[in-house]
Amino acid sequence: EPEVTQTPSHQVTQMGQEVILRCVPISNHLYFYWYRQILGQKVEFLVSFYNNEISEKSEIFDDQFSVERPDGSNFTLKIRSTKLEDSAMYFCASCRGLNYGYTFGSGTRLTVV
Amino acid sequence: EDKVVQSPLSLVVHEGDTVTLNCSYEVTNFRSLLWYKQEKKAPTFLFMLTSSGIEKKSGRLSSILDKKELFSILNITATQTGDSAVYLCAVRPFNNDMRFGAGTRLTVKP
Repeated sequence: EPEVTQTPSHQVTQMGQEVILRCVPISNHLYFYWYRQILGQKVEFLVSFYNNEISEKSEIFDDQFSVERPDGSNFTLKIRSTKLEDSAMYFCASCRGLNYGYTFGSGTRLTVV
Repeated sequence: EDKVVQSPLSLVVHEGDTVTLNCSYEVTNFRSLLWYKQEKKAPTFLFMLTSSGIEKKSGRLSSILDKKELFSILNITATQTGDSAVYLCAVRPFNNDMRFGAGTRLTVKP
């Protein structure tokens, strides 16, 4: 069964550093998403991406964050100048269309120290 | 503001029991409601519901939506220890992306 692949599975970074989280969505999917889940809290929407542009972003997704689909297969989330409160599990998801469920990747656990 | 409320927050049962998990929502321009199961890491898709009163079923799991009363239930019959997980409800409006509830943590004891 097709999967959404995320790398790395765990990243530790120092406060103030930039990180790039990588995702390879399912190949025939058209909509791509980033969600995050702080330990013990609910899954929160960050951003959605369709047709090579951001279609929606939440209030969490401020200027510190950016997304890119550089080569037609990877979908990346960049966090500039990380803060301690950015520590969370970051999930990438994709779906075929708006009337389909999302498939989530296994997540990247980001720890900012 | 869109809201998704799940209850109970946690539930402990014994193998063989039947459980009902609840999800109520307030959302503008409702498109669909989705149920996910989250074990150690990524949420895995269970059901998507768009129409009232039509039960979706997969093995021992079933779910139904009531768009008039704005809630959905997820039923699990003859629970097994492998059903232990956090069950997430999410609502998807027409012009926004999925918003999740806080989840129900189900523990099934042998």
